[in-house]
Amino acid sequence: AQSVAQPEDQVNVAEGNPLTVKCTYSVSGNPYLFWYVQYPNRGLQFLLKYITGDNLVKGSYGFEAEFNKSQTSFHLKKPSALVSDSALYFCAVRTYGQNFVFGPGTRLSVLP
Amino acid sequence: GAGVSQSPSNKVTEKGKDVELRCDPISGHTALYWYRQRLGQGLEFLIYFQGNSAPDKSGLPSDRFSAERTGESVSTLTIQRTQQEDSAVYLCASSFAGRNNEQFFGPGTRLTVL
Repeated sequence: AQSVAQPEDQVNVAEGNPLTVKCTYSVSGNPYLFWYVQYPNRGLQFLLKYITGDNLVKGSYGFEAEFNKSQTSFHLKKPSALVSDSALYFCAVRTYGQNFVFGPGTRLSVLP
Repeated sequence: GAGVSQSPSNKVTEKGKDVELRCDPISGHTALYWYRQRLGQGLEFLIYFQGNSAPDKSGLPSDRFSAERTGESVSTLTIQRTQQEDSAVYLCASSFAGRNNEQFFGPGTRLTVL
């Protein structure tokens, strides 16, 4: 069975500092990995995905994520956080023949 | 182009009543998904459509929940005899076929069962 873990319920970071939101996964087979962001009272927005190729993928709003097969991780990163990045972030995984499985979400607060 | 739309945006109903939630996917998206998101929690998968067939209904919580889709277009999620624990935001998403395609989400329907 597929599963996704986001070990931190909440991440706090000062504006201008780098941020990391962690995600680990468990699948049988090759994973397709996704990050979504949810701003207050809005639906989820796609940020980036890893399908194959370069382990470092770049997405919207300056975010990037690194796929690490040996650690089964896909951590979301940004070099310099903005207050407007404050939101709920979801990691999701999918593999052949399976549906999307979402992690529980991590609330990011960027403090001015 | 237009994104995924859902209606109503908010629905307040009394316990025991039936409700119908609607999702209009992005044109050309053959895959459609319904999720439930309880307050402060993650996404709970309900059902997946490919075209108008539903190969995966495994997430429907009980037989009070059903969904249908007309062709590769509108989908409706029906909850019969609503209970207070059904209160949540119901999210719809659509995508092109293929497991490497990301989903596009609608704004959700907030359901409150009194």
